[in-house]
Amino acid sequence: AAGVIQSPRHLIKEKRETATLKCYPIPRHDTVYWYQQGPGQDPQFLISFYEKMQSDKGSIPDRFSAQQFSDYHSELNMSSLELGDSALYFCASSPPSSGRPTPYNEQFFGPGTRLTVL
Amino acid sequence: AQTVTQSQPEMSVQEAETVTLSCTYDTSESDYYLFWYKQPPSRQMILVIRQEAYKQQNATENRFSVNFQKAAKSFSLKISDSQLGDAAMYFCAYRILLNFGNEKLTFGTGTRLTIIP
Repeated sequence: AAGVIQSPRHLIKEKRETATLKCYPIPRHDTVYWYQQGPGQDPQFLISFYEKMQSDKGSIPDRFSAQQFSDYHSELNMSSLELGDSALYFCASSPPSSGRPTPYNEQFFGPGTRLTVL
Repeated sequence: AQTVTQSQPEMSVQEAETVTLSCTYDTSESDYYLFWYKQPPSRQMILVIRQEAYKQQNATENRFSVNFQKAAKSFSLKISDSQLGDAAMYFCAYRILLNFGNEKLTFGTGTRLTIIP
């Protein structure tokens, strides 16, 4: 079965550079979530998209932006990178809801992109 | 805001024995989901088990079961017949019930489980 694809898997950048992380959800999934997991920490929610519109926003720095495209893939753009941005970035996708009462919609996680800022 | 607390940073268990990982949470919602995720050294997030808050029956998945105490806001994970492959970081997570793209997961700080051969 197809899974969530993230690219690149590893990325090394210098301080103040920019980075773009890509996420390809499972086919026919319409919702994408981005999480950041720092070293030794739990994943923290950054942002989500539902049907190509931003649906929720968490602790995402203003230096970061994201969008979901017409083919439902999503990109996380990170500018003016700082050492503290070094982390594992997860993308997760979930399938369309069939409406209320809402059934359970599992979030399927990708393998993550490990970003190292030097 | 919802919070999830895991008070055991590390746990260890002898192979084939049983271990229980603790999790408490705080929410004002009456309907929600709770999860346990496993993160092995590969760092992949793997769903172990989930519990719907409106269900009184505790969820079970093979060797994994939960003890869900809604009034106490407690959600512990029991792993029976522990195996070497169970060694991982375990995260407890919460999300609201709605399904309209705003169902972010809130994670606890994790419990690192070591299996002793």
